[in-house]
Amino acid sequence: EAQVTQNPRYLITVTGKKLTVTCSQNMNHEYMSWYRQDPGLGLRQIYYSMNVEVTDKGDVPEGYKVSRKEKRNFPLILESPSPNQTSLYFCASSSARRGLYNEQFFGPGTRLTVL
Amino acid sequence: KQEVTQIPAALSVPEGENLVLNCSFTDSAIYNLQWFRQDPGKGLTSLLLIQSSQREQTSGRLNASLDKSSGRSTLYIAASQPGDSATYLCAVRGVQGAQKLVFGQGTRLTINP
Repeated sequence: EAQVTQNPRYLITVTGKKLTVTCSQNMNHEYMSWYRQDPGLGLRQIYYSMNVEVTDKGDVPEGYKVSRKEKRNFPLILESPSPNQTSLYFCASSSARRGLYNEQFFGPGTRLTVL
Repeated sequence: KQEVTQIPAALSVPEGENLVLNCSFTDSAIYNLQWFRQDPGKGLTSLLLIQSSQREQTSGRLNASLDKSSGRSTLYIAASQPGDSATYLCAVRGVQGAQKLVFGQGTRLTINP
């Protein structure tokens, strides 16, 4: 089954404790992205990647890191989480060949609470 | 900067009605527009993708139209059912900033049995 998976689905942590949210897709998509969703602010892009070893900042990258060492995986790293990073996080992927973007698929979400 | 607006923010209708959800965007230079469904606390499920060269797409009881020149899209749901209750999100991929989808705030739809 074609899908985007994220782990963990729920996480409660404390300020300053490094964490990683994993994202994996099995559709051989070039493009992957991370979004956060907050009430009243909607969905905002954190980082994106156009292919292996190619990443760039989205609209709200502060406090986050990403890496793209393999095509299928795109982990989101919070080196020193703070309470304002409490949010619902989504990973997404789509094919993007020669600048043509197709349907974007989203993972099930990770609900993160930072105390 | 691309902005996407969805009206109304919430809609409640009785079961069986046909309904239309609206989406407008400020910059008509887009690659595509995608409609999603989101259940409370859950992920986004893709419903329909319309490329900029297309006028409409259909899937089952859903029909989405795109009028790029006027910056509008509509999602038509026929014969609504209680299971259609969810938040519907419209997202645009612009030519400028094509690396991201710009989302509207969504329309929260409730279908009453």
